[in-house]
Amino acid sequence: NAGVTQTPKFRVLKTGQSMTLLCAQDMNHEYMYWYRQDPGMGLRLIHYSVGEGTTAKGEVPDGYNVSRLKKQNFLLGLESAAPSQTSVYFCASRPDGPYEQYFGPGTRLTVT
Amino acid sequence: AQSVSQHNHHVILSEAASLELGCNYSYGGTVNLFWYVQYPGQHLQLLLKYFSGDPLVKGIKGFEAEFIKSKFSFNLRKPSVQWSDTAEYFCAVKNGGNKLTFGGGTRVLVKP
Repeated sequence: NAGVTQTPKFRVLKTGQSMTLLCAQDMNHEYMYWYRQDPGMGLRLIHYSVGEGTTAKGEVPDGYNVSRLKKQNFLLGLESAAPSQTSVYFCASRPDGPYEQYFGPGTRLTVT
Repeated sequence: AQSVSQHNHHVILSEAASLELGCNYSYGGTVNLFWYVQYPGQHLQLLLKYFSGDPLVKGIKGFEAEFIKSKFSFNLRKPSVQWSDTAEYFCAVKNGGNKLTFGGGTRVLVKP
């Protein structure tokens, strides 16, 4: 199993550009999450999904949109990137029930 | 809103020293507790978790943590650290919903 994979690994955007980050998991997990990691702030939840076709807002959802059209994929979109969105983005998934989250390798995004 | 506090932002110690990292949370109900580790340039990996039962939890690589409900704490310990334990450590709490709340992280540097 590949586990949780993220595409791309690195990206540089100019302010106002858009992009989509892809998260894929091959563990048949119900739940998927998008976090951003900033120095000294730990991981903050952007959006999450409790199953195919569902999405919900997390702690810092503004400026991001998500979609979960297929169970194995969770897409994070930035419609108009801002320098404040410079961060490392992590995707995670977990099965239903009392289980931990499994994390992907991260995407380092820089917005200039 | 639930919060998770990690008191030490940076810890520097020598090999063979003992390590204890503090974690306190604010939620008063039933919680699931986790410690994750992030080695330089890598994604988060689970060190250990507590769901119920024995409040002293043993994890991988010689780490353990103790859940003290009365103190809302879940401190991480290792009796003797190695240079390879250099990493950032995150405490996380799940309070019965679908989301984890992370602490701000503690960067640990072990000097050889």
